[in-house]
Amino acid sequence: DAGVTQSPTHLIKTRGQQVTLRCSPISGHKSVSWYQQVLGQGPQFIFQYYEKEERGRGNFPDRFSARQFPNYSSELNVNALLLGDSALYLCASRSAQGDPTDTQYFGPGTRLTVL
Amino acid sequence: AQSVTQLGSHVSVSEGALVLLRCNYSSSVPPYLFWYVQYPNQGLQLLLKYTTGATLVKGINGFEAEFKKSETSFHLTKPSAHMSDAAEYFCAVSAWAGTALIFGKGTTLSVSS
Repeated sequence: DAGVTQSPTHLIKTRGQQVTLRCSPISGHKSVSWYQQVLGQGPQFIFQYYEKEERGRGNFPDRFSARQFPNYSSELNVNALLLGDSALYLCASRSAQGDPTDTQYFGPGTRLTVL
Repeated sequence: AQSVTQLGSHVSVSEGALVLLRCNYSSSVPPYLFWYVQYPNQGLQLLLKYTTGATLVKGINGFEAEFKKSETSFHLTKPSAHMSDAAEYFCAVSAWAGTALIFGKGTTLSVSS
């Protein structure tokens, strides 16, 4: 089975632009989460979606938004890009929510560079 | 609020030596604890996790970790390091398995021959 896939792999934008990142979860997984990993730091939680509804939001500005589609894939949108938005954006999927035995599986990430 | 502190941003060991990566957590509720590994230009791979039950958890690639509630620690160990273990290691905590992960800043493990 394919793992979590993300596109694009790399992206270069300029300040003020908007960007959309995409994620496809593992087949059968209904929950998707997004994380931002700035160079030299651990990932920081941005959003969690389960069954197409937002179930959690991290401490990120409103410039960040996301959605989940009926096929459980997800998009992360960032508006008015700042230099500080340069990071590796990771998507993670899990099969359900609230199952103690559940595991989050991470994709390879999208490397966003803002110039 | 939950938090994770990883002691030592960089750990260097010789091949065959013991690996010890330290993680302390803060949580107001019984925590779920995780160790992930990240190889260059890749995503995160789960090494092991503690949810409930046995406090000594065995993971992939010979790694294990012990949950010590009294010390609020979840240190990662491996008896004998291999060159292929060189990577970035992250400790993470969540209030329960369905919620967001809170990660530490990571520890880079270098292995020399």
